[in-house]
Amino acid sequence: AAGVIQSPRHLIKEKRETATLKCYPIPRHDTVYWYQQGPGQDPQFLISFYEKMQSDKGSIPDRFSAQQFSDYHSELNMSSLELGDSALYFCASSLEGVLAEGNTGELFFGEGSRLTVL
Amino acid sequence: QKEVEQDPGPLSVPEGAIVSLNCTYSNSAFQYFMWYRQYSRKGPELLMYTYSSGNKEDGRFTAQVDKSSKYISLFIRDSQPSDSATYLCAMKKSYGQNFVFGPGTRLSVLP
Repeated sequence: AAGVIQSPRHLIKEKRETATLKCYPIPRHDTVYWYQQGPGQDPQFLISFYEKMQSDKGSIPDRFSAQQFSDYHSELNMSSLELGDSALYFCASSLEGVLAEGNTGELFFGEGSRLTVL
Repeated sequence: QKEVEQDPGPLSVPEGAIVSLNCTYSNSAFQYFMWYRQYSRKGPELLMYTYSSGNKEDGRFTAQVDKSSKYISLFIRDSQPSDSATYLCAMKKSYGQNFVFGPGTRLSVLP
C-alpha cells in the first residue's frame, strides 16, 4: 500500500540558509501534519492542513511556513536556519473530512527528512 | 507539566515477557488514543488505535483506555527482540485536531 512520501530524506544546510521539505500524503488523505522531532524527543506538532487550508498551528517558528497544494502534497519552507533547527521532520497524513465523531482517521507517518544545520 | 506523560525508560525485559507500557494525561477532552512504535531514525509506525474507553486486541498487542483515570496502556505478549524500539502514545480531542504525543518509552527485549 502507498505510504507517506517525504523528500529529501537527508539535507545539510548552513546557518541562515533556506530549506524546503516536501510531503506526499497517502492517496485520498485530505489532512497533512508536520512534526519536528529532536534527538531523544517526542514529535512536536508544527502545523496541519485540511483540504489545502491551514487547520491547526502548533509550535512553528515564524521563520517557517508551509502550504498544501491542489494535488494535496505539502511543503515546509524554513528560512534563516539556526543550529537548533537540526532535527527529523516528519510529515503525516490522515483522512478526516468524511468521518464523523468517533471514527477519526488514523495518522500515518512518513520516514522523515533529516535536516542538519552546520 | 506536559499534557501527556510517559515513563521514558529504558525498560529492559527478557524475550517472551509480557510488557506493559503506560501513558497518563491531564486533559479529559482527549478521546482518540494511538500507540506508535518507532525504530531509531525511522518514522513512527501505527500499532493500535482506540476511541474512548475500552480494550482492543490485535495479535500480540492489547490497548486499554481508562478515561476515568486518564490512563492508557499497551500490553505486548510474548515480546521479541524485534519489539525493541521506542513506543509513543498519542492522543487528540476531536477529529480534525492535531495529535499530542507522549515523550516515548524505550524498550529493549533481550534474547
